[in-house]
Amino acid sequence: DTEVTQTPKHLVMGMTNKKSLKCEQHMGHRAMYWYKQKAKKPPELMFVYSYEKLSINESVPSRFSPECPNSSLLNLHLHALQPEDSALYLCASSQGVAGNLQGEQFFGPGTRLTVL
Amino acid sequence: GEDVEQSLFLSVREGDSSVINCTYTDSSSTYLYWYKQEPGAGLQLLTYIFSNMDMKQDQRLTVLLNKKDKHLSLRIADTQTGDSAIYFCAARPYSSASKIIFGSGTRLSIRP
Repeated sequence: DTEVTQTPKHLVMGMTNKKSLKCEQHMGHRAMYWYKQKAKKPPELMFVYSYEKLSINESVPSRFSPECPNSSLLNLHLHALQPEDSALYLCASSQGVAGNLQGEQFFGPGTRLTVL
Repeated sequence: GEDVEQSLFLSVREGDSSVINCTYTDSSSTYLYWYKQEPGAGLQLLTYIFSNMDMKQDQRLTVLLNKKDKHLSLRIADTQTGDSAIYFCAARPYSSASKIIFGSGTRLSIRP
């Protein structure tokens, strides 16, 4: 299985809602990532988990809260978002983050989030 | 830090070769990647090259790396309509194995 899956595919939420995005991989990868992508822009890194521990937070606002329950799952909890948070949220995984690994990241199809 | 640059647009005729260029600034980057993104989809890893290689070929794709000039290119032979997409170049700096730095993406359009 060489796939990263994400649910839901689309999400519309109000600014007072709480929702979660989910990501799953069964490739035995030990690093997982959340990216945010606005239209016509490259992905921007938000968080990196390595061996289920948060290793990088790119100064993301606290209304985004990541969670890694186990090595195959990654969640992104959303609360009190703003309309400017509307974007495609991409999950990715890689073998690990050690320097001697090729480090290629495999991406899921993304969740298209709209905040009203 | 690492900076990766690409031209924004490329238009080619169906059946011709497409060449997408990329430059990066950090000479310590160990791996360089090419990703493809179709409308509304995630990023698909097309290929990657290690910094001690000059060239890598995979079916219709050829990657050339000029490490001295920090220049990377992706050649797509016999370009088809299904190749229409945004192509992102990305570099992995030696100093940060957990991050890859993306270019702004090149939108490839195919004309009949």
